Amino acid sequence: DGGITQSPKYLFRKEGQNVTLSCEQNLNHDAMYWYRQDPGQGLRLIYYSQIVNDFQKGDIAEGYSVSREKKESFPLTVTSAQKNPTAFYLCASKARVMNTEAFFGQGTRLTVV
Amino acid sequence: DQQVKQNSPSLSVQEGRISILNCDYTNSMFDYFLWYKKYPAEGPTFLISISSIKDKNEDGRFTVFLNKSAKHLSLHIVPSQPGDSAVYFCAASNEGSNYKLTFGKGTLLTVNP
Repeated sequence: DGGITQSPKYLFRKEGQNVTLSCEQNLNHDAMYWYRQDPGQGLRLIYYSQIVNDFQKGDIAEGYSVSREKKESFPLTVTSAQKNPTAFYLCASKARVMNTEAFFGQGTRLTVV
Repeated sequence: DQQVKQNSPSLSVQEGRISILNCDYTNSMFDYFLWYKKYPAEGPTFLISISSIKDKNEDGRFTVFLNKSAKHLSLHIVPSQPGDSAVYFCAASNEGSNYKLTFGKGTLLTVNP
């Protein structure tokens, strides 16, 4: 079955530590996205990538980094510079074909302890 | 600057009645619009979409209307069912440019039996 997988589902991090969230898709999609959801804030775009080895900052990129070395994978690193990292993180992918929808993973809940 | 706005944080309707969820956008370059449904701690699932060359798209109980001159779209659910209770997100993209997906803050729909 094709789909998009995020792991882990729950993640705990100590203050000052970097942590990497995994996102893998087998839909053969070129475009991939990372969003953050906070209560009352909706989905805010962190980074997106339209093709391998290329990515762009979204609206709230500070304190985050990404890589896109493979088409299937788009990991997100939450660095110690991110002031409020506790949130629900969502990864999505989409074909670079006009007027098609993006598919989402099940999300990772990150909690800083 | 919020480019996609859902001004109603919540909406409550009776089972069997119509639910109307609204969305406004400011970027005239958006040419593709989508609605997603989301349950807590899960990823959003795609519902229905519309391209800017249309003013209406229908799929079963769900209809999306687009008014380009007003930069407004709405999602109609008829008849509403208790299982429709969820957060609904409006999203928009400029498919002719960069496939960047921008979301609104969401509307919590509660359908009462």
